[in-house]
Amino acid sequence: KAGVTQTPRYLIKTRGQQVTLSCSPISGHRSVSWYQQTPGQGLQFLFEYFSETQRNKGNFPGRFSGRQFSNSRSEMNVSTLELGDSALYLCASSSQLAGITDTQYFGPGTRLTVL
Amino acid sequence: EDQVTQSPEALRLQEGESSSLNCSYTVSGLRGLFWYRQDPGKGPEFLFTLYSAGEEKEKERLKATLTKKESFLHITAPKPEDSATYLCAVPNSGNTPLVFGKGTRLSVIA
Repeated sequence: KAGVTQTPRYLIKTRGQQVTLSCSPISGHRSVSWYQQTPGQGLQFLFEYFSETQRNKGNFPGRFSGRQFSNSRSEMNVSTLELGDSALYLCASSSQLAGITDTQYFGPGTRLTVL
Repeated sequence: EDQVTQSPEALRLQEGESSSLNCSYTVSGLRGLFWYRQDPGKGPEFLFTLYSAGEEKEKERLKATLTKKESFLHITAPKPEDSATYLCAVPNSGNTPLVFGKGTRLSVIA
């Protein structure tokens, strides 16, 4: 089975721009979660989508948004980029057959650099 | 608030020198504890899931154990390729799928 894929792998943007990141989950997985990873804060939860609905949301400003399509692929968008948004953005998918204790499998991440 | 604390933050071992990493958690009604390995610039790679106190799982030189308050990742006779950051995570009792610890950065020197 193919793993979680994320595109692009690297992005360089300037302050004030917006960016869209894409994630394709493992085939058959309906839950997609997004995390931000920085050296200082570690892995922090952004949001989770299940069957095209946002099920959970972390403590991030409204500039961070996402969506999920009928094929379970997901996108996240960050508007009005700030220097502090520079991070590794990780997508994880799970089957969610037995609730949130299902294992989450991570993609390789998108490294975003904001100049 | 649910928390996950990992120690030590960094660990340097000689090749073949066994040791243990610790993950302590404060969450009511544990519904699983997950261990991941992360190499620099890559996404976390799943290692183990533990669901109940007393449970143990092994994979090559790694063995994970779970008690009611903490989990240990034992590394037996490590090799340089075991160098990575090891993360543990638990499902939150709130609205976060997983709460992660800050990780232990392991370096194994030949």
